[in-house]
Amino acid sequence: GDQVEQSPSALSLHEGTSSALRCNFTTTTRSVQWFRQNSRGSLINLFYLASGTKENGRLKSAFDSKELYSTLHIRDAQLEDSGTYFCAAGTGGYKVVFGSGTRLLVSP
Amino acid sequence: GGIITQTPKFLIGQEGQKLTLKCQQNFNHDTMYWYRQDSGKGLRLIYYSITENDLQKGDLSEGYDASREKKSSFSLTVTSAQKNEMAVFLCASSRTGGGNTLYFGEGSRLIVV
Repeated sequence: GDQVEQSPSALSLHEGTSSALRCNFTTTTRSVQWFRQNSRGSLINLFYLASGTKENGRLKSAFDSKELYSTLHIRDAQLEDSGTYFCAAGTGGYKVVFGSGTRLLVSP
Repeated sequence: GGIITQTPKFLIGQEGQKLTLKCQQNFNHDTMYWYRQDSGKGLRLIYYSITENDLQKGDLSEGYDASREKKSSFSLTVTSAQKNEMAVFLCASSRTGGGNTLYFGEGSRLIVV
């Protein structure tokens, strides 16, 4: 099965609301990265975590390596947050395995 | 800062043709990656390289070759293009392996006619 299970696959939010994305890992994961892919296809790195939580503006991410999951919280969603969000697991060594993505649409 | 440059941005080829994509990075990163992204899907690892002249197969290496002749460049060859291979190919680099942040290029779209 897939090493990285990402949910939900799609999410619609109204401006100003908040929600969370989640990734579950089925194997030992030493680090997680979160990316946003914009409409041009560029992947922007949002967070890298080896443990704990990180916050940047309206975004906050957490990684629990024992319980094998990571979350990305989006607070006060804005139109420019629309895009596809990916988590990626560093499983040790050099491989980085991606989830299948969450397509987020923020509407007025 | 640095940048990852992928060329060409669009590559059009015929079925059965051998096609090559190139990637250059000026981060001075050790590790480079090639991923394939099919429309509306996640990224799947084709090949990666942990140093100059090193090659490691990913989950999707069949039908592809790769070459890391210099630390700064990593090329990917589709050995015999097929119509079901039309996808976006993304190059990335990181300072060392999976324990560091990945930086991506803007992608190369392969179109097979």
